[in-house]
Amino acid sequence: QLQLQESGPGLVQPSQTLSLTCTASGGTIISSSYYWGWIRQPPGEGLEWIGSIYYSGSTYYNPSLKSRVTMSVDTSKNQFSLKLSSVTAADTAVYYCARVTIYYFYGMDVWGRGTTVSVSS
Amino acid sequence: SSELTQDPAVSVALGQTVRITCQGDSLRSSYANWYQQQPGQAPVLVIYGKDNRPSGIPDRFSGSSSGNTASLTITGAQAEDEADYYCNSRDSSANHYVFGTGTKVTVL
Repeated sequence: QLQLQESGPGLVQPSQTLSLTCTASGGTIISSSYYWGWIRQPPGEGLEWIGSIYYSGSTYYNPSLKSRVTMSVDTSKNQFSLKLSSVTAADTAVYYCARVTIYYFYGMDVWGRGTTVSVSS
Repeated sequence: SSELTQDPAVSVALGQTVRITCQGDSLRSSYANWYQQQPGQAPVLVIYGKDNRPSGIPDRFSGSSSGNTASLTITGAQAEDEADYYCNSRDSSANHYVFGTGTKVTVL
């Protein structure tokens, strides 16, 4: 059964770049049935879709974050990654990676546990 | 508009039925998926594609849709159903996603 695990620094300084990696285990990210996504949740707030990536490298970003987001995939390591540049305190959140299953009407059916990222000097 | 609006909070007596709604223009052309989030945990997909349940989700959870509104119904709510619930939909033209504002369900 597929599991996802986020990893990366828990503290990022303002104006720097947040970098996170999601590692898949128990399954491969190389599949035409899935996209791979990043979602975040600021403290006490709701969920926000950041972007999605296909195993081929095609990317789709939230328009509100597009200018600062870069996603990539490393199929040899069964990983996909998120970079968010020029961070501010507003980017403080729990960051989740998730599998988007096409035949589940693009539902996000597998989630990582989430990693907390704080932006502070 | 790509926004999805949900009531902030609803309450339901133990064993009774509660309906959570999600409104947005994108729902006229795209099904809603529904997620349950317990405090401190990752969301869990409970309904996809209007009224389908992933394996392991109790059949007391059901979905429906009409026009620009999608609904999640919990029939016979249990104490463990107390959680936050989010809808989301996909803009097929751009492969973008949006989440609803979330509904906190309290089981009395």
